[in-house]
Amino acid sequence: DQQVKQNSPSLSVQEGRISILNCDYTNSMFDYFLWYKKYPAEGPTFLISISSIKDKNEDGRFTVFLNKSAKHLSLHIVPSQPGDSAVYFCAACGGSTLGRLYFGRGTQLTVWP
Amino acid sequence: DVKVTQSSRYLVKRTGEKVFLECVQDMDHENMFWYRQDPGLGLRLIYFSYDVKMKEKGDIPEGYSVSREKKERFSLILESASTNQTSMYLCAIYRGQGKGYTFGSGTRLTVV
Repeated sequence: DQQVKQNSPSLSVQEGRISILNCDYTNSMFDYFLWYKKYPAEGPTFLISISSIKDKNEDGRFTVFLNKSAKHLSLHIVPSQPGDSAVYFCAACGGSTLGRLYFGRGTQLTVWP
Repeated sequence: DVKVTQSSRYLVKRTGEKVFLECVQDMDHENMFWYRQDPGLGLRLIYFSYDVKMKEKGDIPEGYSVSREKKERFSLILESASTNQTSMYLCAIYRGQGKGYTFGSGTRLTVV
């Protein structure tokens, strides 16, 4: 049973507009959430994270919002650029997991000019 | 910054062959992981290790085994490769909650 879900397999956004990627989780023991970006034929790279004690974390064009009561987080990219086109994975960890991350299935973001 | 090196970027193997995928880290991280990535299925955990000679099964261990004889090296073994093991294989190390994983570049394995 998936503990982290990304229900939108794809998202298409025009350059300069906002991209919003969504993620839901079921395990209330998760206390850290992360986003990864993956280009074809490369390993995923860390983008941004947020602790469960916060509701927002910002890094340049990237902001992650956490709504614990809804068990939902989102990644906002403003403004979107063509180089942002990639697969984005949401991940979570917490409790005694030996550092294991639980991943969603990913959302393919396409930013068109 | 920490580096995770996977020995091959692309591999083509025949059905029934024994396949070794190597992963080496250049720091002293304890927890290492092997995932496979398939379109629409995301990242699925095969095996992980939290110390030398220690291993834990992930969600899809069938058809795979692992070896960790030294702290810096974590090997994934396909005992008898099958076509349904054609996939992108990713090795990762755990760097702490705020940073999560650092991944290797991946190995694209094709079994024919």
